[in-house]
This record gives sequence, C-alpha cells and structure tokens, in this order.
Amino acid sequence: DIQMTQSPSTLSASVGDRVTITCRASQTVSNWVAWYQQKPGKAPKLLIYKASTLEIGVPSRFSGSGSETEFTLTISSLQPDDFATYYCHQYVSHSTFGQGTKLEIK
Amino acid sequence: QVQLQESGPGLVKPSETLSLTCTVSGDSISSDYYFWGWIRQPPGKGLEWISSIFHTGTTFYNPSLKSRVTIFVDTSKNQFSLNLASVTAADTALYFCARARGNPFDSWGQGTLVTVSS
Repeated sequence: DIQMTQSPSTLSASVGDRVTITCRASQTVSNWVAWYQQKPGKAPKLLIYKASTLEIGVPSRFSGSGSETEFTLTISSLQPDDFATYYCHQYVSHSTFGQGTKLEIK
Repeated sequence: QVQLQESGPGLVKPSETLSLTCTVSGDSISSDYYFWGWIRQPPGKGLEWISSIFHTGTTFYNPSLKSRVTIFVDTSKNQFSLNLASVTAADTALYFCARARGNPFDSWGQGTLVTVSS
C-alpha cells in the first residue's frame, strides 16, 4: 500500500500569512495527488487535483505543486474561511489519504 | 448539480453487517465519466477510503478491509451500496459516499454516522 505522510500535523498561522503543507508518498505516485479542505462536521471539499490543477470555483490563493513523492499545498494569503483541516490524497493505486493538517488561528 | 445522500441505520451491533446506501440525484450513476465510492472517518480522526465501483460493476477495495466489504450498484434506482461484515467498535465512523471524477472525489454526501455498539 502507498502511504501518504503529511506535515505538519498542526499549523498555527494568522490571517494574511502564506502557509505551506507538505505530503510525502512512500513510493512514486506521479502527479496523481489531490488536496481537500474539511471543516468540522462537513464533507471534504476538493481543492486541487493532478497535483496542481485548481478545481473550478476554488480561490486562486490555493496552489499545489510537486511530483513523484513530494507534494505541497500553499495558501498565499490566509483568509478567515481557510482555517480548517487539509488532506492530501493519492489515487494512482487505489486511494490513500494523508493523516491531515489542522490549520489553526494563531 | 449532483447530490449524494447516504442512508442506513445509525446503530449496528458488534459482529453484524453494516449496510449503507447512497442515492444519487442530478447525475446518472451510469455515466462513463465517474466512479462512485465510500470513505469513512472515525470520530476525531482522518479519512479512510473503503471501496469504489463503476456502473459496469467493476470494483476496487481497500486491501485492509477487502475481506469484509462488498460494494454494488443499482442503476435502476441510481444508487450504490456498501456492506461491511463482522463490525467492531473500530468501525464506528462517519461514512461518506462520493463521486470520483478520474479518481479524485469531487462531490460528497453529507455523511452518516454509524455507531457499533451492543
């Protein structure tokens, strides 16, 4: 099975900050990686797929990059609505999610 | 706009079978563009993919759950369903159904909480 390891597990930041979340795959997944945002009690929302393609309707302050085994999600200027938990997801071989990164208000 | 709605019992006894159904509206489950899947989330924990299915009946299972899981589709009702056998307290979770467009899950149901307890 392909494991996805996210870091950090928790991230404290302020409105306006630039933040980056990293996801490492235990073996190459090419660019078959997606990122989701989840708020408490809600379903995850797809933000990015194929490592760097922004889902329709997602603000351009979100961006993704990476390939093979290392991937990043960057939020260029945090907005109040962005405080949530973020998950990476590989879908080259079945599906595996990272353990999540909780983005908290500093 | 596609909508997905999970349904099923909220409480299941240990050793019994958990059965959930996802009803799809606003899209055809017979579309050749999508897979349909189940993902769960134990309270306070992360996401775990369970299984996915194509309308032709092609199935994919999480290896760690494969021996206990069955997924199937009913195109006449625009539904797909999940059976998870021999449940334990570790199977207590929020269960989501979702649509996969080329494999990332782009639309999700609201989730249904299933508790395993006697």
